[in-house]
Amino acid sequence: DAGITQSPRHKVTETGTPVTLRCHQTENHRYMYWYRQDPGHGLRLIHYSYGVKDTDKGEVSDGYSVSRSKTEDFLLTLESATSSQTSVYFCAISESRTGGNDEQFFGPGTRLTVL
Amino acid sequence: GNSVTQMEGPVTLSEEAFLTINCTYTATGYPSLFWYVQYPGEGLQLLLKATKADDKGSNKGFEATYRKETTSFHLEKGSVQVSDSAVYFCALSYYGQNFVFGPGTRLSVLP
Repeated sequence: DAGITQSPRHKVTETGTPVTLRCHQTENHRYMYWYRQDPGHGLRLIHYSYGVKDTDKGEVSDGYSVSRSKTEDFLLTLESATSSQTSVYFCAISESRTGGNDEQFFGPGTRLTVL
Repeated sequence: GNSVTQMEGPVTLSEEAFLTINCTYTATGYPSLFWYVQYPGEGLQLLLKATKADDKGSNKGFEATYRKETTSFHLEKGSVQVSDSAVYFCALSYYGQNFVFGPGTRLSVLP
């Protein structure tokens, strides 16, 4: 199994509070991703990173920011949480984005509830 | 843009039944194709993949063949077990672009 951990695994917070989710990998993979999973929507990409300090937006990036100061860590921040951000958040990593080594490996997920 | 369509289910089968989950895609060029599985309370795990036309991916008794002519990558298993109950995601990856996932198909296998 790929070495990917997420913390916390569960969190309940209140509307308007900031929240930071952490993804940590031990595989030294270049690419890291944050997805959210919601019923009826499958997986949607929030942000991704292609190197230290190099990040880009996905399809549902509004209300989220990310940072990657080390290869192994990728942080997702909700600056002011809203109830619509209640979801299960998955981190993923991949070695490349071209054929052959582009499969993504997923962390165990973080269940976030915003009251 | 690239997209993946798969039957959403839920699919309910008896143990030892034959399984097919349909997946079709739209993409420019020739993407890599994947099936991921998500067991309850867990993250997605790569089940199998194929990187070019006519390739067959296989793992744990599951198979899928990359069919360029029908733009399909259907998942099959000859005899399902209760332990196969999970959500299955079809996905594609195209050079330098982000993964595109299908909506997932929930499979329940009854003893």
